[in-house]
Amino acid sequence: DTAVSQTPKYLVTQMGNDKSIKCEQNLGHDTMYWYKQDSKKFLKIMFSYNNKELIINETVPNRFSPKSPDKAHLNLHINSLELGDSAVYFCASSLQRTSGGFFLRTDTQYFGPGTRLTVL
Amino acid sequence: AQSVSQHNHHVILSEAASLELGCNYSYGGTVNLFWYVQYPGQHLQLLLKYFSGDPLVKGIKGFEAEFIKSKFSFNLRKPSVQWSDTAEYFCAVNGDNRDDKIIFGKGTRLHILP
Repeated sequence: DTAVSQTPKYLVTQMGNDKSIKCEQNLGHDTMYWYKQDSKKFLKIMFSYNNKELIINETVPNRFSPKSPDKAHLNLHINSLELGDSAVYFCASSLQRTSGGFFLRTDTQYFGPGTRLTVL
Repeated sequence: AQSVSQHNHHVILSEAASLELGCNYSYGGTVNLFWYVQYPGQHLQLLLKYFSGDPLVKGIKGFEAEFIKSKFSFNLRKPSVQWSDTAEYFCAVNGDNRDDKIIFGKGTRLHILP
């Protein structure tokens, strides 16, 4: 029943390792996002994909690489993890409203439960 | 530059008190406005949203917000808070273009005393 799910919920790893976080949505949405929430709870968008096409790519290190195998999945792979990568990562999804093939607006975003990444 | 400003970082109220959390934004063009809530240890959930129409929007759990275009504001209100409203509240805005990204405020931590 879970609308937006993420795995794992907790991830503890050593500096320098490579790790992946998976996200899946069963809402039939066509747009998915990755956000980083830092220790001060500030939420910042990292990436956004619409129908497997990258549409938002904020200034994040290229150690972070999103991969969208299909509309329902957006995974986040992180290479060479650093201490500063420790945060909670949220996946979200939404639907882009269109009319006659023209974009109207992006509808409400629904968030996953988050993945707490701790880099030691 | 696009931004969302939440004036109160930490608010402490007693149960049954009235609540108003401020949110101002700077964003060119048509805006869509949101309030999200994050209960301790949980993910963000939508409280309410404004896309168009009546500027007074009612959300879940007795919350409402008023969009005042001339003031670039979207303040959140609740007439009588409960202990279970203790959470972090985020105001957010996005535009109507396909690649517009949603911008979140820094959040307001609300603590309700029983």
